[in-house]
Amino acid sequence: DSGVTQTPKHLITATGQRVTLRCSPRSGDLSVYWYQQSLDQGLQFLIQYYNGEERAKGNILERFSAQQFPDLHSELNLSSLELGDSALYFCASRPAGGVDTQYFGPGTRLTVL
Amino acid sequence: AQKVTQAQTEISVVEKEDVTLDCVYETRDTTYYLFWYKQPPSGELVFLIRRNSFDEQNEISGRYSWNFQKSTSSFNFTITASQVVDSAVYFCALSEAQAGGTSYGKLTFGQGTILTVHP
Repeated sequence: DSGVTQTPKHLITATGQRVTLRCSPRSGDLSVYWYQQSLDQGLQFLIQYYNGEERAKGNILERFSAQQFPDLHSELNLSSLELGDSALYFCASRPAGGVDTQYFGPGTRLTVL
Repeated sequence: AQKVTQAQTEISVVEKEDVTLDCVYETRDTTYYLFWYKQPPSGELVFLIRRNSFDEQNEISGRYSWNFQKSTSSFNFTITASQVVDSAVYFCALSEAQAGGTSYGKLTFGQGTILTVHP
């Protein structure tokens, strides 16, 4: 158990809908990263937050957005869903103080029908 | 741009065989970190090892060992006496260098190697 929690574990929805994925980092970790794992694209970095502020952006679609709250949990919002958004979405957190290891949550498997 | 290549898409071995997973990376940074993660059939990503670019010492942890060679930009992973429980997808990853003392740390992953260990 990495200490990172993600909910829900599975999500099935229809095209055009909007969903919210939630992540709680390990206790004390200020950085949260979101990644998408799909069959065609592999594991890709989406976005990073550090202590409530956006720090880095990867190949994140404009239909996707994220935020990190004062209690450090993070949410990834996916809207106008398409079939191609079906993927495993991971959240990871990283300890403060320059240690670069990211610990991953169990992931949320999103299926868009 | 950073890139990680895991040339072996799938490897199949019989239990107790040794197996080496290859990883080659590209980066312009002089300071960087390399990682290996394991993704078992249950789907989670499990951290195995981190190595920074200044530390070329090989590392051994039980049946696992890692060979980091900066000259060839490789960070290979060997499992000795493989077991069925080692069956998983293994990912090599690279994180960008520190910028002004702050490492943003986003990971660039390879495509993964599917390892199947048969009894």
